[in-house]
Amino acid sequence: GAGVSQTPSNKVTEKGKYVELRCDPISGHTALYWYRQSLGQGPEFLIYFQGTGAADDSGLPNDRFFAVRPEGSVSTLKIQRTERGDSAVYLCASSLTGAEAFFGQGTRLTVV
Amino acid sequence: GNSVTQMEGPVTLSEEAFLTINCTYTATGYPSLFWYVQYPGEGLQLLLKATKADDKGSNKGFEATYRKETTSFHLEKGSVQVSDSAVYFCALSDGGSTLGRLYFGRGTQLTVWP
Repeated sequence: GAGVSQTPSNKVTEKGKYVELRCDPISGHTALYWYRQSLGQGPEFLIYFQGTGAADDSGLPNDRFFAVRPEGSVSTLKIQRTERGDSAVYLCASSLTGAEAFFGQGTRLTVV
Repeated sequence: GNSVTQMEGPVTLSEEAFLTINCTYTATGYPSLFWYVQYPGEGLQLLLKATKADDKGSNKGFEATYRKETTSFHLEKGSVQVSDSAVYFCALSDGGSTLGRLYFGRGTQLTVWP
């Protein structure tokens, strides 16, 4: 596709449930990033992939959060045992060189 | 560590007014600096960037100069339009081992009235 695509655009889930958020980066972009944006805040880094491997996962808040990118293209962010504090917009970005990141429109996650 | 502090909003201006949104940073090494914009209902878009001290980034009438001595990267536009209404984010990338990792400010909401 022409840009970074994230699905779903909105997700409402019950506390304690498992969710998966998908990111389809720009074709050919080897770098992929996940960020989380809480209300009234700027995006905060979660994890960075270079190709298939997670090169930096230092931003993941705890072990309920996990992300994969098995073929070096599409990535899935997985959240187990969701909590109300996980409610936020989850942003994905991709980059060819690291000099400029292109962002998707985000997935708004609401945990009720 | 790395951090970005930007002017709190919201900022409300009349069309054709002058805009300044202040941004200061703390960083290790020699960061690159960015302004991103988020229009209503859209994703974050890169507005402009500067990669070294004294560089000026510019785009769509917006400008920002990388000032190492004051650790600042203030966004300016001489004459705003209604279509500039959006949220503006200042960000830095420290060029460290995590290539392209961005550190964002909290964002400044700009509303321009006709």
